[in-house]
Amino acid sequence: QQPVQSPQAVILREGEDAVINCSSSKALYSVHWYRQKHGEAPVFLMILLKGGEQKGHEKISASFNEKKQQSSLYLTASQLSYSGTYFCGTVSISSGNTPLVFGKGTRLSVIA
Amino acid sequence: SQTIHQWPATLVQPVGSPLSLECTVEGTSNPNLYWYRQAAGRGLQLLFYSVGIGQISSEVPQNLSASRPQDRQFILSSKKLLLSDSGFYLCAWKQGGNTGELFFGEGSRLTVL
Repeated sequence: QQPVQSPQAVILREGEDAVINCSSSKALYSVHWYRQKHGEAPVFLMILLKGGEQKGHEKISASFNEKKQQSSLYLTASQLSYSGTYFCGTVSISSGNTPLVFGKGTRLSVIA
Repeated sequence: SQTIHQWPATLVQPVGSPLSLECTVEGTSNPNLYWYRQAAGRGLQLLFYSVGIGQISSEVPQNLSASRPQDRQFILSSKKLLLSDSGFYLCAWKQGGNTGELFFGEGSRLTVL
């Protein structure tokens, strides 16, 4: 079942922060985050595994609350290069080799 | 290092014509392979995935089919295209298991007229 992302779209000025949420109705094993620029393939950002971990990469970090089956992506001090569509993908606990199911995406626009 | 290629990058096809999109992975063995479709302004919809040669799982019943004739080759086909088949098709691979990054190909943009 497809995870639900919110918000659907957000506009930021450079330097502002944003949070993108991803929630699932299924028990999750992992949550993946990707960013896609217009006309290009999605690019991997990070994976979070069950255990409630939090990861960070420069000014982009994420958390995973397995009890709530939710993950949040945090973008701090946004830059123009952060613009794009962000997708979360989830893998449920049920079995191995389960394909990644993506949410509908959150379109982020950073303006000067 | 591992690479993934898909072709053609762009194609325009009339309604009712056949389709064949190819994807190959290099530098790894026994990868899990996936076909996703992205309609304009929409999310990533999983179409097919394969965990081995000749093993295809379909997520969305439609007029598309997939085949895996070799370990690192994944083909998406249609006998008769519909207008609704237009979109951006992405092939992807990853190693088996629930962890690990999904690597995407460059994508194939299909316009059905």
